[in-house]
Amino acid sequence: EVQLLESGGGLVQPGGSLRLSCAASGFTFSNYAMSWVRQAPGKGLEWVSDISNSGGSTYYADSVKGRFTISRDNSKNTLYLQMNSLRAEDTAVYYCAKDLNWNFVRVYFDYWGQGTLVTVSS
Amino acid sequence: EVVLTQSPGSLSLSPGERATLSCRASQSVSSNYLAWYQQRPGQAPRLLIYGASSRATGIPDRFSGSGSGTDFTLTISRLEPEDFAVYYCQQYGSSPRTFGQGTKVEIK
Repeated sequence: EVQLLESGGGLVQPGGSLRLSCAASGFTFSNYAMSWVRQAPGKGLEWVSDISNSGGSTYYADSVKGRFTISRDNSKNTLYLQMNSLRAEDTAVYYCAKDLNWNFVRVYFDYWGQGTLVTVSS
Repeated sequence: EVVLTQSPGSLSLSPGERATLSCRASQSVSSNYLAWYQQRPGQAPRLLIYGASSRATGIPDRFSGSGSGTDFTLTISRLEPEDFAVYYCQQYGSSPRTFGQGTKVEIK
């Protein structure tokens, strides 16, 4: 059974940093691209970032480019999102999602984690 | 980027009724790479449909997807209590992958 478990969310002040983790199990993590998708309170889904299975290719939404960094450790079956220079508008539940295959181009998300809440407020 | 517009914003129906949800794209969705996700309150999204019309593993056959080009539809033939949720369409034919704003299916 595929399981994705996010952690690392919490309350952070504007301008602060936070690192999210997503522990994966139930599939061969190193064979699949992974992504982060967020959802602001009461709002819809917004794609944030992608990473290929090897970590060699990454892609970011314009809203987070230059502030967020996606990475992965295939030896630990873990996906990360380093978030710097956080803003109030980054407040959201952050979901990690598994892509259908090794790359994130022209594929959908077949599994999602339960999410971790990030609140940016003073 | 491809903008997806879902309609209606909300739908009030009774169990057993049919639900028809629309997703319209600002430009043609490449290869009909259109997915639908269900999100129940307090839960993560769940994949229902991919490729516009293929049901994901374990999804009941009361859920069906149709459409092509710029106009897509999710139909729930007979609403069950667990189907009252928010539904999102997503295109994955071009980058960035984008979502519609969602349609909430409420109990009447």
